Amino acid sequence: DAKTTQPTSMDCAEGRAANLPCNHSTISGNEYVYWYRQIHSQGPQYIIHGLKNNETNEMASLIITEDRKSSTLILPHATLRDTAVYYCIVSLHSNSGYALNFGKGTSLLVTP
Amino acid sequence: DTGVSQDPRHKITKRGQNVTFRCDPISEHNRLYWYRQTLGQGPEFLTYFQNEAQLEKSRLLSDRFSAERPKGSFSTLEIQRTEQGDSAMYLCASSLVSKIGPGSTNYGYTFGSGTRLTVV
Repeated sequence: DAKTTQPTSMDCAEGRAANLPCNHSTISGNEYVYWYRQIHSQGPQYIIHGLKNNETNEMASLIITEDRKSSTLILPHATLRDTAVYYCIVSLHSNSGYALNFGKGTSLLVTP
Repeated sequence: DTGVSQDPRHKITKRGQNVTFRCDPISEHNRLYWYRQTLGQGPEFLTYFQNEAQLEKSRLLSDRFSAERPKGSFSTLEIQRTEQGDSAMYLCASSLVSKIGPGSTNYGYTFGSGTRLTVV
């Protein structure tokens, strides 16, 4: 699986958009970009995933560059409950038993 | 069904003892995974099951670790002769995979809250 690079930490003011970047320059054509987050003392929570096109769901938006070498997770109106570690993961989307390689993620702190 | 359940939430054990953790996945999910997470690190893959078959093991899964999913429902992870380096959060996840082979669809993982193991 391709490696990802994320900033170690970020701050965001409550109510503002949180934009979390991820670099995955070695991504291959059939690999998806997944985002998970982990709130303290809980298991990781799936947020969103995409292949080429931008995606949006009730939690977030995922913007993938045209060359697919980087992406940005957008939390449009961050709340204090969005404080968590956010993991960007690149993986095959198949049933071949892929394991998610989480890395260290970005620790997002949402402040009042 | 409220999600993936893990038991116990916390376990403190003395070095050299055996411990066993249980995971109850979402009932219709056919795939079950075990991960380990140490402080400040992301979760690391240990092993996964497709129904009752254990299909992949990571190199992290030493001979002291064994996992089972006897009826394709709940799973257990046993660590024998625990060492202080085994102290970690052990996470279970499950997912639904609709087919085998090309064109399959994986609907994403749901994680449990984990079992925190402390070896003293």
